[in-house]
Amino acid sequence: DAMVIQNPRYQVTQFGKPVTLSCSQTLNHNVMYWYQQKSSQAPKLLFHYYDKDFNNEADTPDNFQSRRPNTSFCFLDIRSPGLGDAAMYLCATSRDFSGRADTQYFGPGTRLTVL
Amino acid sequence: RKEVEQDPGPFNVPEGATVAFNCTYSNSASQSFFWYRQDCRKEPKLLMSVYSSGNEDGRFTAQLNRASQYISLLIRDSKLSDSATYLCVVTSPGNQFYFGTGTSLTVIP
Repeated sequence: DAMVIQNPRYQVTQFGKPVTLSCSQTLNHNVMYWYQQKSSQAPKLLFHYYDKDFNNEADTPDNFQSRRPNTSFCFLDIRSPGLGDAAMYLCATSRDFSGRADTQYFGPGTRLTVL
Repeated sequence: RKEVEQDPGPFNVPEGATVAFNCTYSNSASQSFFWYRQDCRKEPKLLMSVYSSGNEDGRFTAQLNRASQYISLLIRDSKLSDSATYLCVVTSPGNQFYFGTGTSLTVIP
């Protein structure tokens, strides 16, 4: 029944060691999002895909990259994780109706620890 | 200026109380409005969409005021299980969802 799946749920990496987080969806939604959420803060949008169109937020560091090989999957690559990148990473999907976004559905998140 | 602003609280209310949260948004072209609920260390989950005419779902009532650019959430007869962080979410043209920082609610027995 899971609609937005994130793997792994918990990820531990070392400072500077690349890490990839994955997200998959069974909703066939055309829009997918990656958010970073730190403790007691709002989710911060990193980027989103509208189908294959990639949209980067202006303040997303170059250290963060994303890939969407098909409708169902989206990956977040952190090239050189720093201590400040420790956070919960949330994947979400939504369906666009003629330029108007429908409700977002979130995955359970991946909690990243950087040692 | 932030896209969405909320009073972070915390709000500590007794069971059975009525509590209201407000949220303001800066972009007059914002299209869709939502309230999400987030439990500690869990993902946000949709509580309700907010429609121009206002809408109600059981004990929860949401209102939108486009002229003043704010939305509100009213919770009546608070339950212990209502304790969570409530996030105000606004979308802009282009499928971007903007989150408020959330309002923390604790319902006390």
